[in-house]
Amino acid sequence: AQRVTQPEKLLSVFKGAPVELKCNYSYSGSPELFWYVQYSRQRLQLLLRHISRESIKGFTADLNKGETSFHLKKPFAQEEDSAMYYCALRVSGNTGKLIFGQGTTLQVKP
Amino acid sequence: DSGVTQTPKHLITATGQRVTLRCSPRSGDLSVYWYQQSLDQGLQFLIQYYNGEERAKGNILERFSAQQFPDLHSELNLSSLELGDSALYFCASSAVGSQRETQYFGPGTRLLVL
Repeated sequence: AQRVTQPEKLLSVFKGAPVELKCNYSYSGSPELFWYVQYSRQRLQLLLRHISRESIKGFTADLNKGETSFHLKKPFAQEEDSAMYYCALRVSGNTGKLIFGQGTTLQVKP
Repeated sequence: DSGVTQTPKHLITATGQRVTLRCSPRSGDLSVYWYQQSLDQGLQFLIQYYNGEERAKGNILERFSAQQFPDLHSELNLSSLELGDSALYFCASSAVGSQRETQYFGPGTRLLVL
């Protein structure tokens, strides 16, 4: 079965502390992984995707196929990073269907 | 702004009723996706259309149906509404709906069934 698991509902850190939002996936094929972010009262927007291997707003994520993980990391959290973060899996095939995790709320305290 | 628009923003209705949610994709995008976000189920894929044709189906109830019109806007019809249908319904669009594209999300329609 295709599944994305984000074990933490809420992650609370202080400004300047490192952040790691966990994401594990279950998929037998070749996965494509994404992180989406939803700031308060805003729409869901793409943060980064594993095939781009880029850093957006200081966030990075590395796909670890051995551990079937795609954790999101940032070395120094900022208050403006407070938001809901969703990890998503897109399966192979001629469709763009995304399978989302339950989401993790990141709260960065001053 | 991603350009995907959804109407209405909010909808309050009663059990047993039927509602229609509307989505206009970004200019030039041919594929539309519908997702449901609820407290207990999280964000779930419902259905995808590409250029008027259904391309993929997810956990969409039989009471729900969707279509994409020639002008590429899409409607999600929810009938015989139940309390558990209360959720935020998102529409997203992408260029052709294939695997490697970015999906751009709309602001959502918040449905409350009383």
